[in-house]
Amino acid sequence: QVQLQQSGPGLVKPSQTLSLTCGISGDSVSSNSAAWNWIRQSPSRGLEWLGRTYHRSKWYNDYAVSVKSRITINPDTSKNQFSLQVNSVTPEDTAVYYCARVSYRGGNNWFDSWGQGTLVTVSS
Amino acid sequence: DIQMTQSPSSQSASVGDRVTITCRASQSISNSLNWYQQKPGKAPKLLIYAASSLQSGVPSSFSGSGSGTDFTLTISSLQPEDFATYFCQQSYSVPFTFGPGTKVDIK
Repeated sequence: QVQLQQSGPGLVKPSQTLSLTCGISGDSVSSNSAAWNWIRQSPSRGLEWLGRTYHRSKWYNDYAVSVKSRITINPDTSKNQFSLQVNSVTPEDTAVYYCARVSYRGGNNWFDSWGQGTLVTVSS
Repeated sequence: DIQMTQSPSSQSASVGDRVTITCRASQSISNSLNWYQQKPGKAPKLLIYAASSLQSGVPSSFSGSGSGTDFTLTISSLQPEDFATYFCQQSYSVPFTFGPGTKVDIK
C-alpha cells in the first residue's frame, strides 16, 4: 500500500518560492515503473498537472508549459521523497497542491496514489 | 494540449438512481482515459483506469466505457457515499489534463 505524505508551508509571500515535499512509503522514488507528479487544484483552474519526475536508467522531468519557467521537481533518493519548487509566486498560484504517483500498465497510466493535499496561499 | 470536457457540470439524483457522466477529448486518445471521485477536502480517488478497468476496491456499481474521443462513467445504483464530484483525465500525452468535473448531489 503506497502512501504519500506532503509537508511544507501553507502561506507564501508574493515573489517568493513555494516549496513542498512528498514523502513516499510503500514504493521507491527510483522505481522504473512509476512516475512522481505534482498537481494543483483551484476554483479558477480546476485540476492542473504541473509536472513529474521519473527514473528509467536515468532521471527525467516533464513540466507543464504554464509553469515551466518557474518550476523544479527533484527526487531525493536518500530520503525516498520528491519535492516541488515554484519560483516568483503570485496570488494566481494559490491552490491546493497534491503529489501523486502514476502507475503504468499495458501502455496506459493513471494516478493511483495521492498525497493529502496542501492548501498554499500566496499573500503578503 | 488535449482539452477535456464533461457533461453535465452538475446532476441532482436520488439514492438508487442510475447516473451517467460523459467526457469528451479534443482529439482521439484511444482508451487512455481515467475517472476519479473527489469528496470535499479530500484528494481525488481513482475509480476507473484505461477507460473501462475497475480499480481494486471500487464497487462494481461503477463502470466506464468508450474509446477515441467519447467516454462514459456510469453508476448503476447511486449510494449515499457516491455523492461527490467526478473528474475524467486523459493519460494519452503530456501534459496530462483533467475535465472540469461533474458534481453529483442529492435531489
